[in-house]
Amino acid sequence: GDSVTQTEGQVTVSESKSLIINCTYSATSIAYPNLFWYVRYPGEGLQLLLKVITAGQKGSSRGFEATYNKETTSFHLQKASVQESDSAVYYCALSDPLLLSGSFNKLTFGAGTRLAVCP
Amino acid sequence: EAAVTQSPRNKVAVTGGKVTLSCNQTNNHNNMYWYRQDTGHGLRLIHYSYGAGSTEKGDIPDGYKASRPSQENFSLILELATPSQTSVYFCASGENRANQAPLFGEGTRLSVL
Repeated sequence: GDSVTQTEGQVTVSESKSLIINCTYSATSIAYPNLFWYVRYPGEGLQLLLKVITAGQKGSSRGFEATYNKETTSFHLQKASVQESDSAVYYCALSDPLLLSGSFNKLTFGAGTRLAVCP
Repeated sequence: EAAVTQSPRNKVAVTGGKVTLSCNQTNNHNNMYWYRQDTGHGLRLIHYSYGAGSTEKGDIPDGYKASRPSQENFSLILELATPSQTSVYFCASGENRANQAPLFGEGTRLSVL
């Protein structure tokens, strides 16, 4: 089956420092899956941060970037300078772009990475 | 504004009791989903629906039922709740088109004692 593996547990970064959260995927039945980063801020629901549906492309939002690398099957999340307000749980996910398979945009998630930004 | 609303936000249930989690969306989306999220695991799909009257099993459907009485509403039902079902549950809705990113609700924290 399909799976997503991301940086485990918690990552602690000082404010204004750079961040990378690793994400790799395995999509056994999907040649080019859609890739997503979702974020859950404290006390809030899950929000889409960014998505990329084309291999080789980069998505960006709120200062975060992620590049779809089909050679290394990776979709790492990066930010050059984090802020305290970025503290949240980040989830990498994939879906099958082909609705003909009956997947109905079902998402397969990684385990989540908690980001703590220290002042 | 697009919205997915879950109720209740928090629930404490007893083992063996019946629990119903409700989800309402105002997005006119065909597809709706129920996921659960546990520490160390990503969100896992329990049931989904592609329209009123339809329900489909996801990856971990055992112990759960779902009901989609209308386009807007999708319920998750635990007929006989067990402590292993203590979790955070997320509902989502999405368009039945390729490359869409489902919209999620705020989650329901369920504790089964």
